[in-house]
Amino acid sequence: DIQMTQSPASLSASLEEIVTITCQASQDIGNWLSWYQQKPGKSPQLLIYGATSLADGVPSRFSGSRSGTQYSLKISRLQVEDIGIYYCLQAYSAPPWTFGGGTKLELK
Amino acid sequence: QVQLKESGPGLVQPSQTLSLTCTVSGFSLTSYSVHWVRQHSGKSLEWMGRMWSDGDTSYNSAFTSRLSISRDTSKSQVFLKMNSLQTEDTGTYYCARNIRGSLDYWGQGVMVTVSS
Repeated sequence: DIQMTQSPASLSASLEEIVTITCQASQDIGNWLSWYQQKPGKSPQLLIYGATSLADGVPSRFSGSRSGTQYSLKISRLQVEDIGIYYCLQAYSAPPWTFGGGTKLELK
Repeated sequence: QVQLKESGPGLVQPSQTLSLTCTVSGFSLTSYSVHWVRQHSGKSLEWMGRMWSDGDTSYNSAFTSRLSISRDTSKSQVFLKMNSLQTEDTGTYYCARNIRGSLDYWGQGVMVTVSS
């Protein structure tokens, strides 16, 4: 199975700060990588698909990038409503698809 | 609009079978695949399996032969059945729609507790 190593596990940042979360794939997954935000008690919400494409309705301060087998989610100017847990998901090799371990983003 | 909604028992006894239903609206099961994802409390997400738009299925081998996914297109429903439940199967179960290798719409989730 493809492993997705997500870092950091937790992150504390200030409003308006730039935040970056990364996922390292254990092998090539092309652009079959998506990012999700989950708020307490809620379902995950799609942010980025195809490694770099912004999902409908997602603010433009969110962006995704890829360098080889490392994928990054960037929040350009952190807002209060961005607080939550973020997950990456690889869909290159199935079964199974595999999620990263998650990054808990908190306000400093 | 696109909606998915999971339903099923909140409490299941150990060794029994879990049966969940995902009822979808706003899209056709013959055009999109639907996936099942599990989340243990406070933990990450775990992909369980999927029902393809053509009726085929794929499963996470971590569930060996315990898991079965089926559908009724006339009722716009996808079913999950998992047998031999243990306490570690406690968690929230989601169904979600697949598009472009991502899960764009999710149900609200159904919490399942395995306990006697």
